[in-house]
Amino acid sequence: GEDVEQSLFLSVREGDSSVINCTYTDSSSTYLYWYKQEPGAGLQLLTYIFSNMDMKQDQRLTVLLNKKDKHLSLRIADTQTGDSAIYFCAENSSGGYQKVTFGTGTKLQVIP
Amino acid sequence: NAGVTQTPKFRVLKTGQSMTLLCAQDMNHEYMYWYRQDPGMGLRLIHYSVGEGTTAKGEVPDGYNVSRLKKQNFLLGLESAAPSQTSVYFCASSYIVSPYEQYFGPGTRLTVT
Repeated sequence: GEDVEQSLFLSVREGDSSVINCTYTDSSSTYLYWYKQEPGAGLQLLTYIFSNMDMKQDQRLTVLLNKKDKHLSLRIADTQTGDSAIYFCAENSSGGYQKVTFGTGTKLQVIP
Repeated sequence: NAGVTQTPKFRVLKTGQSMTLLCAQDMNHEYMYWYRQDPGMGLRLIHYSVGEGTTAKGEVPDGYNVSRLKKQNFLLGLESAAPSQTSVYFCASSYIVSPYEQYFGPGTRLTVT
């Protein structure tokens, strides 16, 4: 079955870059996503990448996709305290419905 | 436009009690989902629905039932609550067109004692 793995915790200093990594197993994924969960709230889509792309940039966010290694990363430039949250990697599987498998989430702590 | 709403926000149950969690969305989404979130385990899909009147099992369906009598509502029932069902429950909904972004509710924190 599909599996999405992430490290559980990352700590960075304000102003530094953060890189959150994810590995997935389903080679037929069409979309890969990064969702953000702020304390006490539900998840919100941060960005996504189509599986035929290598990179996507959106302001401070850069998503890199290595399909060969099934590796996805999210880079946040100039990390701010407001970026402190849990970040979930997710993949869209090619099931009979649009099933999304979520990773365990990486808690990003930004130190002022 | 309220998005996805969930009621209640918090609940404490005793083992063996039953309850229903309500999810409502006002975006006319076809797909709706119920997840549970546990520390270190991410989100796990309990049940989902691809349209009004349809439901299907997800990854961890045991001990839960669902109904989708109206397109905008998706109900999650616990027939006989167990301490293992202590969790945060999230409802989500999505369109049937790409990129299939899921919109989440704020969650229900359930404790079973």
